[in-house]
Amino acid sequence: DVKVTQSSRYLVKRTGEKVFLECVQDMDHENMFWYRQDPGLGLRLIYFSYDVKMKEKGDIPEGYSVSREKKERFSLILESASTNQTSMYLCASRPRTSGTVNYGYTFGSGTRLTVV
Amino acid sequence: LAKTTQPISMDSYEGQEVNITCSHNNIATNDYITWYQQFPSQGPRFIIQGYKTKVTNEVASLFIPADRKSSTLSLPRVSLSDTAVYYCLVSGNTPLVFGKGTRLSVIA
Repeated sequence: DVKVTQSSRYLVKRTGEKVFLECVQDMDHENMFWYRQDPGLGLRLIYFSYDVKMKEKGDIPEGYSVSREKKERFSLILESASTNQTSMYLCASRPRTSGTVNYGYTFGSGTRLTVV
Repeated sequence: LAKTTQPISMDSYEGQEVNITCSHNNIATNDYITWYQQFPSQGPRFIIQGYKTKVTNEVASLFIPADRKSSTLSLPRVSLSDTAVYYCLVSGNTPLVFGKGTRLSVIA
């Protein structure tokens, strides 16, 4: 089974801190994604990456950056954490879509971040 | 914006078959239809995916009519553990855009 591992299940950080959320997948997937999930708003795409060193902005990239130095690892960075970034953060991966084959996403268990 | 529309919530008794219909009027030729299940405090889990006609696996069936403008997820004989939010998504090569999903509550 593909595994997507997020380094922390729960995290509490102070306003203004720089926060790193780590995500590692073990199946050599090219595509990786970061979403945040908030009550009433569903899952919203923050950033994604189609390969090493590549990154693309999603729907809500403001206040975030990402790093993809190795294929298996996709890091989400909160440059200066704010209380409105308190949320559940979900990482996902999938293989590169090829021709008519379309693969499903595998999600991690999530990191619940609280910024105080 | 999500490209799909599905009911906000549904209730069902244990042992019943549950059908959740999703409309996706603007589905593109290269889009697939995928359903995910999410339990509280967990990431969504892939259930089933299809392009046209019918797909069945050990968890569910997916029915897609010829025009592909809608799809129906069928869960046979639901149990309490099937209580979750179910998301219908359409996508080709672009990242998934999640809507609000359907909150299914299974009652004993």
